[in-house]
Amino acid sequence: RKEVEQDPGPFNVPEGATVAFNCTYSNSASQSFFWYRQDCRKEPKLLMSVYSSGNEDGRFTAQLNRASQYISLLIRDSKLSDSATYLCVVTSTGTYKYIFGTGTRLKVLA
Amino acid sequence: NAGVMQNPRHLVRRRGQEARLRCSPVKGHSHVYWYRQLPEEGLKFMVYLQKENIIDESGMPKERFSAEFPKEGPSILRIQQVVRGDSAAYFCASMRGDRGLQETQYFGPGTRLLVL
Repeated sequence: RKEVEQDPGPFNVPEGATVAFNCTYSNSASQSFFWYRQDCRKEPKLLMSVYSSGNEDGRFTAQLNRASQYISLLIRDSKLSDSATYLCVVTSTGTYKYIFGTGTRLKVLA
Repeated sequence: NAGVMQNPRHLVRRRGQEARLRCSPVKGHSHVYWYRQLPEEGLKFMVYLQKENIIDESGMPKERFSAEFPKEGPSILRIQQVVRGDSAAYFCASMRGDRGLQETQYFGPGTRLLVL
């Protein structure tokens, strides 16, 4: 079983739609969680950190469920510019090395 | 405020040659990570360094690959005797390392290595 698993997609949604991604992780001792966004042939860029209490940044909401070992990302009112690959990241204890999921591709259609 | 810088951005090597990838972290960051991304795959951790020390190299192949982060100058990822399977994007990330669990890593633009 992979340490971090994501549905690769692609998720094709119309502009204005709400879309949600889940990501599961296998190590119950994982401590930090993030969503990064990666555009084609570019570097990953931090979208948001994921806190136990959940957090929201504009149209984006992230949730963490430690009991079920998954994190989620909700995007409301999708824009064309949201088209990208969304990477789920979990860090191991101690070294903070990132363990990436393979990413979920989102295409927002006009 | 310069972000993480990597050079070269593109590197072409023939099989058997050496590839040398450089990474300059964000000013003030003393933690550097290297990741590799194969086409259509996610990023995979290779090595974690602090100034003059390798902290974790568990993701780096034991042969042909080495990394360093000297007291002065950029971090270097060195691949000797490259093979076609080394063709990938290599991303460097940096972090200050003193702000707790939710501290994030900042990624450079990557070096795309093509081995002919």
